[in-house]
Amino acid sequence: GAVVSQHPSRVICKSGTSVKIECRSLDFQATTMFWYRQFPKQSLMLMATSNEGSKATYEQGVEKDKFLINHASLTLSTLTVTSAHPEDSSFYICSATRTGISYEQYFGPGTRLTVT
Amino acid sequence: GDSVTQMEGPVTLSEEAFLTINCTYTATGYPSLFWYVQYPGEGLQLLLKATKADDKGSNKGFEATYRKETTSFHLEKGSVQVSDSAVYFCALSDLPGNTPLVFGKGTRLSVIA
Repeated sequence: GAVVSQHPSRVICKSGTSVKIECRSLDFQATTMFWYRQFPKQSLMLMATSNEGSKATYEQGVEKDKFLINHASLTLSTLTVTSAHPEDSSFYICSATRTGISYEQYFGPGTRLTVT
Repeated sequence: GDSVTQMEGPVTLSEEAFLTINCTYTATGYPSLFWYVQYPGEGLQLLLKATKADDKGSNKGFEATYRKETTSFHLEKGSVQVSDSAVYFCALSDLPGNTPLVFGKGTRLSVIA
């Protein structure tokens, strides 16, 4: 159990367009989901914390108007990169914590975004 | 704030060699500690964890012991395989509740036959 999926796994878009990435917990309810960004050969940087039914909490330096996060249900969070630019190209990874089990996170397989 | 420091790679070993990847942490409370592994092109998978001092996490031949006195959680494996080639991340979670993980920078391991 405790599977997290992401869709799409890879996406290429043109500069100026918007891209939506979905993160789903397949077999458990996730009160909280996290969105991370990973640059090549680097560690994961937390972008935002997404709580079901409330606004996301963004880390310092992350533009909330550019990276829109919606956590509409206990199994789905979405990250929309608006007006994407080549510098937004990265590997985006979500994770989810099980409701009631506080410390363990389950990671999605990641989404590779390339903006041309 | 909380932080995790792990040895920089890349680390290249021959098959069946002994592996140690050092990890130390700084935290205000009593964190839970984790090792995650990332295979090429994939997301992170939990390798092992320890939630209190002196706990030993183990999985797939890997081990790490939570050492509060040295604030360390070093990853070890007695005999590595080519299939162990990946990036390994040490991480901690400090506060109870749904808090994000703090990651080290990752250590790339390459095992050659």
